[in-house]
Amino acid sequence: GQQVMQIPQYQHVQEGEDFTTYCNSSTTLSNIQWYKQRPGGHPVFLIQLVKSGEVKKQKRLTFQFGEAKKNSSLHITATQTTDVGTYFCARDQTGANNLFFGTGTRLTVIP
Amino acid sequence: DAGVTQSPTHLIKTRGQHVTLRCSPISGHKSVSWYQQVLGQGPQFIFQYYEKEERGRGNFPDRFSARQFPNYSSELNVNALLLGDSALYLCASSSTGGSEKLFFGSGTQLSVL
Repeated sequence: GQQVMQIPQYQHVQEGEDFTTYCNSSTTLSNIQWYKQRPGGHPVFLIQLVKSGEVKKQKRLTFQFGEAKKNSSLHITATQTTDVGTYFCARDQTGANNLFFGTGTRLTVIP
Repeated sequence: DAGVTQSPTHLIKTRGQHVTLRCSPISGHKSVSWYQQVLGQGPQFIFQYYEKEERGRGNFPDRFSARQFPNYSSELNVNALLLGDSALYLCASSSTGGSEKLFFGSGTQLSVL
């Protein structure tokens, strides 16, 4: 189907530890987007990956798109309390804005 | 510049009632999408409108309807409310309606009693 699965569902880390969330699809993706939603907030766009094997970095965040374009990952180095929130990957129908969001990974950072 | 604005922020209704939610996109954006987010889950796509025409519809019953106005603002209507309609309703805008990032509003929290 059009769903994307994310693991883990929850992650508790000590501040300073690394964190990774994985997004998997049974079908090839045209692209993948990542969003962050703070508790009580709304999703905020982080990045879009389009090319096979693509790797993009935003400060402590590293995003990867698999070679087969069926999976993606978000890695945060040395987590901070400001990283708390739920991270969603989202796929779209080709050429449209009909995003299908993953199940999300809820990150808790313990100071 | 203002971001995506939604009204009201919170709403309490009873079963069987109807509700209208409103959204104003970012200035210059022509596409508006609606999403339903139940607590603990990811947003679920309901509708997308571009240039006042429906571009996409998610797996929601006919009780859900929407429209987009000439100024690109949008309304989401839900009739015959059910308890299960309680959720955060998010509006998102984008400039072209194609495969690009979405800008979300803060949402309307709907509670159906």
